[in-house]
Amino acid sequence: SYELTQPPSVSVSPGQTATITCSGETLGDKYASWYQQKPGQSPVMVIYKDTKRPSGMPERFSGSNSGNTATLTISGTQSLDEAEYYCQAWDGSSVVFGGGTKLTVL
Amino acid sequence: QVQLVESGGGVVQPGRSLRLSCAASGLSLSSYAMHWVRQAPGKGLEWVAVVSYDGGHKYEADSVKGRFTISRDNSKNTLFLQMNSLRPEDAAVYYCARGVDRNFYGMDVWGQGTTVTVAS
Repeated sequence: SYELTQPPSVSVSPGQTATITCSGETLGDKYASWYQQKPGQSPVMVIYKDTKRPSGMPERFSGSNSGNTATLTISGTQSLDEAEYYCQAWDGSSVVFGGGTKLTVL
Repeated sequence: QVQLVESGGGVVQPGRSLRLSCAASGLSLSSYAMHWVRQAPGKGLEWVAVVSYDGGHKYEADSVKGRFTISRDNSKNTLFLQMNSLRPEDAAVYYCARGVDRNFYGMDVWGQGTTVTVAS
């Protein structure tokens, strides 16, 4: 079965750029999406189809996808961006989520 | 206001059944794929099932295949998940989520979730 791998945790200082990776075999041939989830809340989509931002999502969130790696980049990271982030892809017969990355802003 | 509202969760014994519903308000579901995603306590997101915009195509995770059935009623703007032969490992918060379009590439609107507890 298809698997997506994320680092368990990433730390960033306020105002700096956070980069979260998601690895999977030929992931670049699929569309990647990213979700933000804060404790006790439902997930929120931040990126879909590799690079697209949902309406209302701040421009500091951006995405890319090539080869075996999709990347979520948060520019000018703010304390309110501290959350768990999940990547996701469709492999042709199932949806797959990465294990999640805890982003700490400190 | 655009929202999805899940219902039907509760406490159920192993081996029993439960039916979850997801009602939409402020948005039409008929042009979108619809998903169920679950999250066990302290764990990550696990996809459960998806149904195409017209109900003609359905896919389930291996962990629920043969036990769970996803369906939709576009006339009622509602999504369902029939869960049979429930196991302790099925305990989780179950979210319904709307696909970004007719394809299965992402989920742009999520409900608040309904909790399923499987215990004797």
